[in-house]
Amino acid sequence: DAGVIQSPRHEVTEMGQEVTLRCKPISGHDYLFWYRQTMMRGLELLIYFNNNVPIDDSGMPEDRFSAKMPNASFSTLKIQPSEPRDSAVYFCASSSWHGTEGSEQYFGPGTRLTVT
Amino acid sequence: AQSVAQPEDQVNVAEGNPLTVKCTYSVSGNPYLFWYVQYPNRGLQFLLKYITGDNLVKGSYGFEAEFNKSQTSFHLKKPSALVSDSALYFCAVKSYGQNFVFGPGTRLSVLP
Repeated sequence: DAGVIQSPRHEVTEMGQEVTLRCKPISGHDYLFWYRQTMMRGLELLIYFNNNVPIDDSGMPEDRFSAKMPNASFSTLKIQPSEPRDSAVYFCASSSWHGTEGSEQYFGPGTRLTVT
Repeated sequence: AQSVAQPEDQVNVAEGNPLTVKCTYSVSGNPYLFWYVQYPNRGLQFLLKYITGDNLVKGSYGFEAEFNKSQTSFHLKKPSALVSDSALYFCAVKSYGQNFVFGPGTRLSVLP
């Protein structure tokens, strides 16, 4: 398996522009997570999906952020409009349900977003 | 509420020496504990986990961790450090019905 795939790897955009980050989870995994990593705040869970349905979006910073998962192999995280404080590394992760709570997550390589 | 603490921002160790990266946690139920490693410009990689059973868990790259319920700790260890072990290490905890919570990370530097 190729692992979790994220695109683009780097994104530089101007304030006010729309940004779309993409993620392809590991085949067969039915949980998908979006995280944001910054020096100041560390690793933050933004939202996660189970079987394509958003379960917990309490970590989404504000209405400028939205996430979708139209099918089991694709998810997007959109920021509209983007602001300089959104600059961070955004990770997608996926996991499978083994009937316990102990399934580890597998992370993609991340998208480094810079908003100028 | 769940929480994870990694009391050391930075750990320095000489190559060949044993290393320990500390983690303590707080949960209301039974904990599920994880260690991840992050190399520069990479995503987090799973190292090992404790779910139940033997308190000593062995993982990838020669790492192991010991679950200590009375001290609510899950320290990561390796008998002999390599320069290539230098990276950022994250402890994470989960309990039933709760989301994953990651610690702030500890930067490990193994000096040749």
